[in-house]
This record gives sequence, C-alpha cells and structure tokens, in this order.
Amino acid sequence: DAKTTQPNSMESNEEEPVHLPCNHSTISGTDYIHWYRQLPSQGPEYVIHGLTSNVNNRMASLAIAEDRKSSTLILHRATLRDAAVYYCILRAFGNEKLTFGTGTRLTIIP
Amino acid sequence: AAGVIQSPRHLIKEKRETATLKCYPISRHDTVYWYQQGPGQDPQFLISFYEKMQSDKGSIPDRFSAQQFSDYHSELNMSSLELGDSALYFCASSLVLATDTQYFGPGTRLTVL
Repeated sequence: DAKTTQPNSMESNEEEPVHLPCNHSTISGTDYIHWYRQLPSQGPEYVIHGLTSNVNNRMASLAIAEDRKSSTLILHRATLRDAAVYYCILRAFGNEKLTFGTGTRLTIIP
Repeated sequence: AAGVIQSPRHLIKEKRETATLKCYPISRHDTVYWYQQGPGQDPQFLISFYEKMQSDKGSIPDRFSAQQFSDYHSELNMSSLELGDSALYFCASSLVLATDTQYFGPGTRLTVL
C-alpha cells in the first residue's frame, strides 16, 4: 500500500476552519483517498473520500492536488466534537482493507 | 438505522484461555472486517469476509480464527490468549467490496490477565 504522511498533531480554535494536510507522493492511479476519524473511546468513523476531484459532504470537504500527491481535509467550522485522530488512507480499487497510519491528533481550543 | 453491534463490549480473560467476539453488521451489509487496536496504537486490519467467504487476511495470528455466518454476523475466535492480545477489537461492515465506506462498531475491549 502507498504510504501517507500527516502531521502528528494540530490545534485549532473552535468555530474556525481547519485544514488537515496529507502527503501521498507514491499514490497510484487506482488509489482512492479516504479520510476516517476516531473520536476518543470510539471506533473509526468515515469522513469523506475522493479520487481526483474535490469532494464535499455534510461533514467536510476534501481538496485533492492536481497531481494527486497531496490532499487536504477541510472542516469548515470546527466544534469541540471534532477533536479526534484523523487518518488519511489510500485504498486501491479492489483492496478491501483500510491501512491506518499514524494520523493527526486534532485538538480544538474553546 | 441500527449501526454495527459488537458483543461483548468488555471481556476479561486469563492467559491461555479462549475468547469469542461477535459482530452484527448493519442490515444488508455483506462484508465484515476485523481490526485490532493495541494500547496507544493505530487500528490494524486482521481479516475480512464477503458473502461468508474469507476475502482478505492481514496480520492475524494463527491462534485466531474467524468466520461469517449465513445471517452475515461474524465471530472472531481467539485461543491460547496472551498478554499482548489485550486490545480493542473493532468490527466494520460495508455493503460492497472495494472503495465502499466501512462502518465501524463500538469495539470490544479485551483484557488478558
């Protein structure tokens, strides 16, 4: 599986936008970019995924670089409930498993 | 709609004992995945099943086995438990293979004494 690199931790103020970066310079053409998050004492939770184009859903937006070697998860207005570890995962088409890396621990400051 | 259900939520066992963890996927989901998360670690994929057949295998010890039943629920059987097996075990389910979203259960916390 191609590798992703994320900052170990980030902080953001409540009610401000958060941009979580992910580098994946060895991404292949069939790799989808998935983001999951894990709130304290809970199972991982799907956030968003995309292949080439930017994606939006009710939780977040995913901005994918034109060369696909990096992506950014955008939380438009962080709340205290968004404090979690965010995982950027590459998942090849036909590959079932999720390979979790270290992730970014996001702290929200009230 | 009900999410993924895992039972038990907590389990305490002695070394060398056996344990069985159960997972009930979301209705109509035909694929089940098992992950292990050790203390302070990130989740690691163990095994998955699609339509009752094993579809992928990760770093699952030979002491562990799993299966998916006709009603799509799955069980993870763990024998000769070791202290290092103490972890959170998550089950996830999805509707189809490949890039579909995985929905995770709340996990079973296994403590081996």
